Amino acid sequence: GQNIDQPTEMTATEGAIVQINCTYQTSGFNGLFWYQQHAGEAPTFLSYNVLDGLEEKGRFSSFLSRSKGYSYLLLKELQMKDSASYLCAPRRAPQTGANNLFFGTGTRLTVIP
Amino acid sequence: NAGVTQTPKFRVLKTGQSMTLLCAQDMNHEYMYWYRQDPGMGLRLIHYSVGEGTTAKGEVPDGYNVSRLKKQNFLLGLESAAPSQTSVYFCASSYSRGPTGYTFGSGTRLTVV
Repeated sequence: GQNIDQPTEMTATEGAIVQINCTYQTSGFNGLFWYQQHAGEAPTFLSYNVLDGLEEKGRFSSFLSRSKGYSYLLLKELQMKDSASYLCAPRRAPQTGANNLFFGTGTRLTVIP
Repeated sequence: NAGVTQTPKFRVLKTGQSMTLLCAQDMNHEYMYWYRQDPGMGLRLIHYSVGEGTTAKGEVPDGYNVSRLKKQNFLLGLESAAPSQTSVYFCASSYSRGPTGYTFGSGTRLTVV
């Protein structure tokens, strides 16, 4: 089965750095995605990790430790527009042929001035 | 490039009525998915398809049916709507492999009264 745990809410100050943690248990792990979802909108792709280590994309970085079942999303130089929910989504290896992603409930980040 | 298009965007149904949600993608993705998103529950997979003419059940398939007669379209049907099916429905599509993850449609907000 799948079990994904991430904090429900976080608050951070504009210009600061925030780290959103995710722990997961999933059978047949095949990579982990982070998505951003603004209120009332669809999730959009942020990052992908399949090997251990850090992936950096501009102000966003994501880290993965497969042995610990742990990932984090790091947001630097926070901007007001970063206020959104951040979804951790481990991918299960294909069994019937589909790349099923399983989503956590998300972390609602509020950036304050 | 439209990506993933869902119709309708909003709908109110009476209990017992039926309806079909349409999802269309123009990215030549093999896989397509239907999710529902409820407060505090995260995204849950209803049904998915790995190719034209094939469908499979996800985590919460009861009360829904799907069809994929053409590669670019994935239909979600509610035969007899219930208040418990009040939710936001997202369609997504993806390639069969690789780091690109899912592309989501903008969502359908369905209320069953």
